[in-house]
Amino acid sequence: DIQMTQSPSTLSASVGDRVTITCRASQSISSWLAWYQQKPGKAPKLLIYKASTLESGVPSRFSGSGSGTEFTLTISSLQPDDFATYYCQQYNSYPRTFGQGTKLEIK
Amino acid sequence: EVQLVESGGRLVQPGWSLRLSCAASGFTFSNYAMNWVRQAPGKGLEWVSYINSRSGFIYYADSVKGRFTVSRDNAKSSLYLQMNSLRAEDTAVYYCARDHIDYGDLDYWGQGTLVTVSS
Repeated sequence: DIQMTQSPSTLSASVGDRVTITCRASQSISSWLAWYQQKPGKAPKLLIYKASTLESGVPSRFSGSGSGTEFTLTISSLQPDDFATYYCQQYNSYPRTFGQGTKLEIK
Repeated sequence: EVQLVESGGRLVQPGWSLRLSCAASGFTFSNYAMNWVRQAPGKGLEWVSYINSRSGFIYYADSVKGRFTVSRDNAKSSLYLQMNSLRAEDTAVYYCARDHIDYGDLDYWGQGTLVTVSS
């Protein structure tokens, strides 16, 4: 199975900050990676797919990059609505696996 | 508008069975692969199962293989998860999620249904 490791697990930041979350795969997954945002008590929401393609309706301050085994999600200027937990997920092979999550907190 | 509505979650005892349903609307259900994803209380997301549009390809997480069965009824635009031999560690919110038409990301999710396994 492909293991997905996110870092950091928790990130404290302020409104307006630029933040980056990293996701590493235990083996190459090409660009078959998605990023999701989840707020407490809500279902996850797709942000990025195929490593760097922004889902329709997602603000352009979100961006994704990477291929192979290392990927990043960047938020260029944090907004109050962005404080949430973020997950990466690989869909290169089954079982599909998620990272453990990164909780983005207000500093 | 795409909608996925899960139902069937409740409190059950270890060893019992339960069937979850997911009613889809707002899109041509028969064209899309579907998934079940779960989230234990306070924990991260765990992919559970996948079924392609015509039920020809089905996959499970190792943690549920042999106990859970995914199925679908395209005529009813519905997805199901039959869960047998339930364990305490199966306690979670279960989400159904639609596969992107071209890729394997999950572009729409339901609101989830809570399954609690406890004596």
